[in-house]
Order: sequence, then C-alpha cells, then structure tokens
Amino acid sequence: EADIYQTPRYLVIGTGKKITLECSQTMGHDKMYWYQQDPGMELHLIHYSYGVNSTEKGDLSSESTVSRIRTEHFPLTLESARPSHTSQYLCASRTAGGDPNTEAFFGQGTRLTVV
Amino acid sequence: AQSVTQLDSHVSVSEGTPVLLRCNYSSSYSPSLFWYVQHPNKGLQLLLKYTSAATLVKGINGFEAEFKKSETSFHLTKPSAHMSDAAEYFCVVSDGVSGGYNKLIFGAGTRLAVHP
Repeated sequence: EADIYQTPRYLVIGTGKKITLECSQTMGHDKMYWYQQDPGMELHLIHYSYGVNSTEKGDLSSESTVSRIRTEHFPLTLESARPSHTSQYLCASRTAGGDPNTEAFFGQGTRLTVV
Repeated sequence: AQSVTQLDSHVSVSEGTPVLLRCNYSSSYSPSLFWYVQHPNKGLQLLLKYTSAATLVKGINGFEAEFKKSETSFHLTKPSAHMSDAAEYFCVVSDGVSGGYNKLIFGAGTRLAVHP
C-alpha cells in the first residue's frame, strides 16, 4: 500500500470559489506530480516538482497553481473554480535521482465537480 | 519524443479466457515501460515494469508483458481472466535517460470488461 494521500476524495463546489486539493506522501520522495483525468480518458500532467521550492507546469495547460514548501506536501490550488475545472485530479510521487526505472505511486484521487 | 499508443480503447473477454491488451511505444532511448491498473474510484496501481533486465516481465495478479524491441511493443497478457480484472489499464513510458527528468507518459487507456 502506497503512502500517498489525497483529500478530499470528492468535492462539489460553486463557481468562483477558491479551492485547495491536498496531497501528502510519507515516503520521502522528491518528485511529485499532479495529473488531470477526465472520465474514461488518459492522464494529463499539469504540474510537477523536483523537490522543495521547485515547481513546473506540465504538458497540459492548467489554471491551477501548486506549491512545494515541504517535501511531503504538494497542494494544488484553483483561485476561482469554473465548471470547466470539473475533473479527477491525481497526485503521484516518485523517488529522486535520474533513474527512469522507478515507478510512481498514486493517491486515490480527488473528484472535483464545479457547479 | 516519447509516446505511447494503446491500440484498443475497450476489450471484452469472458471469465477464464485469455486477456491481451496491446501497447506500442515510441522512444528515442532505451525505454522504461510500465503497466498500471485503475479500478473504479481508486488510484493507479503498478502491475509490472520493464527495465531492460528481462524481456518477459511478470507482474501481480498473474499478469505479464513482453518487451519486443523490433515491434516497439509491450503487450499485457493474462492466461485466464477473472471478474476482478475488470478495470482501466494504462501503458506508460518513462521519458528520458538516467540523469534526466524522466516524466511518465501515459497511453489513453484500455477498459477491460470481463463477462461471466
């Protein structure tokens, strides 16, 4: 069982609200990722981090922002939620170093609905 | 650039029959390849990974995959499907070489249905 946790699991929120999706891992991994996944679709990388104070935008443009103040914590924030943000958000982590063979561990996801 | 193509968006089998989920990749490097499974309302779980040690890779729950460089394929198989195998399966390639960033690039997924 991977030690990576996302909260909340489900969130329904009104348009214009600010929200933060939480992701924490206890494995000491330096690399962390946020993916966006629409139902039945592939995962798209929206943010990633090499380590503390390092964040980069992913392949899919997103209006969300992230921060990495602590190794174990990688929250994602939407300043003003819109219905187009409705999706599932998956957080993952991976060991540091340049080894391409290491697998990523995933949280259970947050399913966000903006009404 | 690396990419992954899963050739079937949906696969339907009967319980007890073999499973074949097809994956082709494109990579400039010697790739690292993974198969992940996602059950409904669950996170992704690693089934197996190829890391160049052996071309036939065995994973959890009776799944295995064979790396074929000449065909740029990494198909996932299981001799006998079980009802609990019904899920979404993702083929993934790791982008880059040792020392690089190594992003994970996902295929579009294959939804496996298992019928009694």
